[in-house]
Amino acid sequence: DAGITQSPRHKVTETGTPVTLRCHQTENHRYMYWYRQDPGHGLRLIHYSYGVKDTDKGEVSDGYSVSRSKTEDFLLTLESATSSQTSVYFCAINAGGAYNEQFFGPGTRLTVL
Amino acid sequence: AQSVTQLDSQVPVFEEAPVELRCNYSSSVSVYLFWYVQYPNQGLQLLLKYLSGSTLVESINGFEAEFNKSQTSFHLRKPSVHISDTAEYFCAVSEAQGGSEKLVFGKGTKLTVNP
Repeated sequence: DAGITQSPRHKVTETGTPVTLRCHQTENHRYMYWYRQDPGHGLRLIHYSYGVKDTDKGEVSDGYSVSRSKTEDFLLTLESATSSQTSVYFCAINAGGAYNEQFFGPGTRLTVL
Repeated sequence: AQSVTQLDSQVPVFEEAPVELRCNYSSSVSVYLFWYVQYPNQGLQLLLKYLSGSTLVESINGFEAEFNKSQTSFHLRKPSVHISDTAEYFCAVSEAQGGSEKLVFGKGTKLTVNP
């Protein structure tokens, strides 16, 4: 157990509404990540963070923003949700240092109607 | 840039049969390699990893993977599968140099073990 929690675990929302997903870790790891998982696409990196207030884009960052004001929390925001953002979202931490060994949270299933 | 190809999207097998899930990667530098497993409706769990040293790595539940640098492969094998091995398996790669912070994942292979 890498001490990663995600909230909410399930959410249904409507197109055009803002949505924020939260990832919380208990072990003060520097690197945190947000992925989305879709059938046939595997896991794709949305954004990641390498410290408080230090973030960078992944391969599918359009339509998403992130914030990290504390080491333990990494927030993912969909400013105006679209149906194409219906997905399962996973948060991860890098607990392996230079080896980049990542551990994952339980996931958030988001449905945008 | 790195990439990972998992050659089979679905692999059905019978219980107690052997299985091989194939993974090939592309990278211009040395790599670290990982296999993750995702059981239905759960998150991803690290199954095994190759960082350095012996090219054959094993997990606690009987899986093994062999790093083959010349063929740029990291195939996952198990000599005898159980119903409980039914899951989706993801291969992932990270650069070993340059302090890369990112993992690149394959698209996954769904292993279904039938009785």
